[in-house]
Amino acid sequence: DAKTTQPTSMDCAEGRAANLPCNHSTISGNEYVYWYRQIHSQGPQYIIHGLKNNETNEMASLIITEDRKSSTLILPHATLRDTAVYYCIVGGKLSFGAGTTVTVRA
Amino acid sequence: DTAVSQTPKYLVTQMGNDKSIKCEQNLGHDTMYWYKQDSKKFLKIMFSYNNKELIINETVPNRFSPKSPDKAHLNLHINSLELGDSAVYFCASSQDFGRGGPADTQYFGPGTRLTVL
Repeated sequence: DAKTTQPTSMDCAEGRAANLPCNHSTISGNEYVYWYRQIHSQGPQYIIHGLKNNETNEMASLIITEDRKSSTLILPHATLRDTAVYYCIVGGKLSFGAGTTVTVRA
Repeated sequence: DTAVSQTPKYLVTQMGNDKSIKCEQNLGHDTMYWYKQDSKKFLKIMFSYNNKELIINETVPNRFSPKSPDKAHLNLHINSLELGDSAVYFCASSQDFGRGGPADTQYFGPGTRLTVL
């Protein structure tokens, strides 16, 4: 299973874009990249997934590099409610690592 | 409509007791999961069922026994509760399992906070 590496934490100003990186250098050709987030005391929430192409939905955008060894989740206009732990998962891996704790500040 | 629901939300009990946590999903998914999130906040897979068949059983004490009466339900029964069982338990479901594609997207319940005294 491909492993992922994410920064431990990051701060973001409210209203600005938040760019969350994830390295997955051992990803295999048919493995998708998934992003989830967990707001304090709630269950993890699915955000977005992608294989090769960039993806966008109502929550976020996902940019995957051409070699697929890394990706970036973009929250276009961060709000205070986006404060959460963000997890990058590859393929069918069922273990969530430490993720990135994102704090959006007013 | 709640997609994945768990009951109870909070469970406080004494050491040695037996308790159950229930999970139901109304998404029509074939796969369901139980995760444990301890005080260090790591989310660890415990069990997974696909079409009522056990497909994942991580290193979990046999005091924990999952039961899937049908595809929409996966319950977790815990015997002889210990202090170390205190954690938040999350149920999740996905359309399929193990293909690494969109069907593996998981939807989580709100969690059950178990406190063993």
